[in-house]
Amino acid sequence: QKEVEQNSGPLSVPEGAIASLNCTYSDRGSQSFFWYRQYSGKSPELIMSIYSNGDKEDGRFTAQLNKASQYVSLLIRDSQPSDSATYLCAVKNQGAQKLVFGQGTRLTINP
Amino acid sequence: DAGVIQSPRHEVTEMGQEVTLRCKPISGHNSLFWYRQTMMRGLELLIYFNNNVPIDDSGMPEDRFSAKMPNASFSTLKIQPSEPRDSAVYFCASSRRGLAGGLPSYNEQFFGPGTRLTVL
Repeated sequence: QKEVEQNSGPLSVPEGAIASLNCTYSDRGSQSFFWYRQYSGKSPELIMSIYSNGDKEDGRFTAQLNKASQYVSLLIRDSQPSDSATYLCAVKNQGAQKLVFGQGTRLTINP
Repeated sequence: DAGVIQSPRHEVTEMGQEVTLRCKPISGHNSLFWYRQTMMRGLELLIYFNNNVPIDDSGMPEDRFSAKMPNASFSTLKIQPSEPRDSAVYFCASSRRGLAGGLPSYNEQFFGPGTRLTVL
């Protein structure tokens, strides 16, 4: 089992709809969770961080964390074509400083 | 504020040559991370430093790879000799947290633009 798992996609969503991206992790002691967006040919860009159970909203983005289920998700409301990118989930395990990244989910927003 | 700076942005070299990649972290950040990204293996951590000291180099693929951080504002990743399988995008990232404690947000890592390396 991989430490951080994401559906590689591609995930296609019509413009204006909600895009839902999911991530599961194996280390129950994980403390910090991050979502990065990576456009083709560009570097990963941090878009959301979440540290406690529940929802965290920032503009059109909502991160959801459920530590009991070892599950973190990212919702993108009112999806725009500019949201088309690969989304990487990253997890900081307990006692470690480094982040473990999932393989990423490729998201396409169709006009 | 300037973000993480990497150079060169693109490097094309021949097998057997030495390659040196450079990184300047965000000012005030005391942790620096080197990653490699390929289609097959995704984003892999190679090595990271806290306060200029290497902490974990378990991701360095073999002895041909070495990394240094002589001061808080500069790090290098060297490959000698280079091989075609080293072709990848190499990213440098930095964060604030280098010691135990501190805010959780100190773990947030910010990436540089990357160096696309092609070894022929």
